[in-house]
Amino acid sequence: EVQLVESGGGLVQPGRSLRLSCAASGFSFDDYAMHWVRQAPGKGLDWVSDISWNSGNIGYADSVKGRFTISRDNAKNSLYLQMNSLRAEDTALYYCAKDALLGVTTYYFDSWGQGTLVTVSS
Amino acid sequence: EIVLTQSPGTLSLSPGERATLSCRASQSVRNNYLAWYQQKPGQAPRLLIYGASSRATGIPDRFSGSGSGTDFTLTISRLEPEDFAVYYCQQYGSSARGTFGQGTKVEI
Repeated sequence: EVQLVESGGGLVQPGRSLRLSCAASGFSFDDYAMHWVRQAPGKGLDWVSDISWNSGNIGYADSVKGRFTISRDNAKNSLYLQMNSLRAEDTALYYCAKDALLGVTTYYFDSWGQGTLVTVSS
Repeated sequence: EIVLTQSPGTLSLSPGERATLSCRASQSVRNNYLAWYQQKPGQAPRLLIYGASSRATGIPDRFSGSGSGTDFTLTISRLEPEDFAVYYCQQYGSSARGTFGQGTKVEI
């Protein structure tokens, strides 16, 4: 069974940094692209960032480009999101999501974690 | 960037009834790369449909997807109590990665 467990969220002041982690199990992590998707309180879903299976291709939403950095450690079955220069509008539940197809990045997601809440406020 | 507009915003129905949810794209979705997700309160989204009409693993056959180009539909043939949730469409065919619609809430 696929399991994705996010951690690292919390309350942080504007301008500060936070690092999210996602621990994966139940599948061959190094065969799949991975994504971060966020959901502001009471709002819809927004794709944030993706990383290919071998970290060779990385993408970001315009809203986070230059501030967020995605990475992965296939030896540890882990995905990360380094978030710098945080803003109030980054407040959201951040989901780790597994790409649906092996070896390629399709941008649709067949497994999701339960999310970790990031609150940016002074 | 493709914008997805879902309608209606809220659908009020009873168990056993048929639900029809619409997702309209501002431009044609390449290869009909359109997915549907279900999200219940306090839970993560769950993939229901991909490629506009293919059911994901373990999804009951009362859920079906149809459409092409710019107009897509998710149909729930007979609503079960556990189907009351928010449904999102997502296109994944354009260079803007995975953009989502704003959601349709199916309520009792």
